[in-house]
Order: sequence, then C-alpha cells, then structure tokens
Amino acid sequence: DIQMTQSPSAMSASVGDRVTITCRASQGISNYVAWFQQKPGKVPKRLIYASSSLQSGVPSRFSGSGSGTEFTLTISGLQPEDFATYYCLQHKTYPLSFGGGTKVEIK
Amino acid sequence: QVQLVESGGGVVQPGRSLRLSCAASGFTFSNYNMHWVRQAPGEGLEWVAVISSEGNNQFYADSVRGRFTISRDNSQNTLSLQMHVLRVEDTALYYCAREINWIDLLDYWGQGTLVTVSS
Repeated sequence: DIQMTQSPSAMSASVGDRVTITCRASQGISNYVAWFQQKPGKVPKRLIYASSSLQSGVPSRFSGSGSGTEFTLTISGLQPEDFATYYCLQHKTYPLSFGGGTKVEIK
Repeated sequence: QVQLVESGGGVVQPGRSLRLSCAASGFTFSNYNMHWVRQAPGEGLEWVAVISSEGNNQFYADSVRGRFTISRDNSQNTLSLQMHVLRVEDTALYYCAREINWIDLLDYWGQGTLVTVSS
C-alpha cells in the first residue's frame, strides 16, 4: 500500500503569506494526486487534480505541482477564507490513501 | 445540479450491522465510479471503498475488507455500503463521492451520514 506523508501537520500564517504544503508518497505515483480543502463542519472540496490541474471555480492563488514522489500545494497570497485543513490524496493504486492533513491557522 | 445524499447512519452496538445509502441525482449515475470516504470525529479523511460504474469491480481499504460490501443499483441511482461486524473504530461521518475517470475523481461529495458504534 502507498503511504502519503504530509507536512507540516499544522502551521500558522498571516493574510497575504505564501503557503506551501508538501506530500511525499512512499513510492512513485506519477501525477495521480489531488488536493482537498476542508473547513470545520463542511464537506471536503477538491482544489487540484492530476497534481496541477485547477478545479473549476477555485481561485488561481491555489496551485499544485510535483510528480513521482514529491508534491506541493501552494497558496500564493493567503486569504481569510483559506484558513482550513488541507489533504492530499494519491489515486495511483488501490487502496487510495490520504495524507494526514495540514491545518492552516491564523497567526 | 449534482446531488449526493447519504442516509442510514445511526447508533449501533459493536458487532452489529448497518447499511448506508447514497442517492444520486443531477448526473448520469451509471457513467461514474463511486466511492465511500469516512472521517472519524476530529480526525482526517480515510478512503473506504470504490465500485465501478457497472458494479462489477470493487476495492476496499484494508481496515474494512471482509466486513463491508459496496454495491449499487443503477436503475435507482443508488449507492450502498453494507457494514457488518462493526467496531468502535468504524465510528465516523461517511461520505459518498463520484469519479468520472482515473484522473478526475472525488469532485462532488455528499454531506455525509454519521455512524456511531458504541455499547
């Protein structure tokens, strides 16, 4: 089974900051990574699919990159509505696996 | 618009069974693979199971394999998850979500149904 190690598990940031979240896969998974945002009490929302494709309707300050085993989600210019928990997901093989999550909090 | 509505959650004792349903509308259900994903209280997301669009292939997380069965009825646009031998650690909010293809998955999720396993 493939493990997704996500870091950091939590972070504090200010409005306007550039934020980078990383997921490392235990083996190569090409570009089969998606990123999700979840706010408290809400349903997860897909931001990025195929490592770098932006979901329709998601602001362009969100971007994804990576291939193989290293993947990043970048928020360029953090906005108040971006404070949430973010998860990566590998979908190269079953069983699918999520990263442990990154909680982005207000500094 | 796309809608996924889960139901069937509740409080159940360890060792008992429960069946969850997910009613789909607003898209051609039979064209999509369907997934269950769960989230224990205060915890992260855990993928549970997937079923192919025609219902002839299923895959499961190690934690539920042999106890849970995913199925679907394309004539009723309904996805199900039959859960047996429930454990305390199965307590979670269970979401259904769709997949159009291997690159484009989990774009729409339901609101979830809560399963609590407790004596």
